[in-house]
Amino acid sequence: DTGVSQDPRHKITKRGQNVTFRCDPISEHNRLYWYRQTLGQGPEFLTYFQNEAQLEKSRLLSDRFSAERPKGSFSTLEIQRTEQGDSAMYLCASSRLAGGPGTGTQYFGPGTRLTVL
Amino acid sequence: GDSVTQMEGPVTLSEEAFLTINCTYTATGYPSLFWYVQYPGEGLQLLLKATKADDKGSNKGFEATYRKETTSFHLEKGSVQVSDSAVYFCALRTGWGGSNYKLTFGKGTLLTVNP
Repeated sequence: DTGVSQDPRHKITKRGQNVTFRCDPISEHNRLYWYRQTLGQGPEFLTYFQNEAQLEKSRLLSDRFSAERPKGSFSTLEIQRTEQGDSAMYLCASSRLAGGPGTGTQYFGPGTRLTVL
Repeated sequence: GDSVTQMEGPVTLSEEAFLTINCTYTATGYPSLFWYVQYPGEGLQLLLKATKADDKGSNKGFEATYRKETTSFHLEKGSVQVSDSAVYFCALRTGWGGSNYKLTFGKGTLLTVNP
């Protein structure tokens, strides 16, 4: 396994701009999760995918946020009309649904740090 | 809803000191419990886990025992090293089979170990 990767690692944008982040999960992991972590807090769940299907979205995910996982591989998280309150670390994690060692364990990427000016 | 309460930090210790970071939880059903560690500039890494009552998770000298009666999962290490300096997160996961396996995290505890 090469691990979960995220791109970019850092993003600075101006309020009102749109941003998109990418997550590449560990290959063959069925599930992919997005979390948001603000300073001094633990990560909070945003949404998750099982293969290409988005199965749950947190109430934290406003209409300005959209996530996709086409073909059940990489995922993107887009934030439209960014606000200063969107400044946070956005974390991606993936896990194997069933079968094999580590089933269900979530492996995290390094995160994308978003700063909205 | 599910929640995790961790000992407030920061915690500062000298090398070779004993470490305890308290963690208690509230959950519906029977959660699995985790400790994740975040080293400076890096992502979250799974440190250890326990999936049922009385299970003990251990890794790199760290241990935690799943105590259902006290709803706790305290992290311990007998002798800390400078390299253990990091933020430690306690987390729980509920859900079985096809349901959501989302993690619920505590706020994290910053540990600094001085030489």
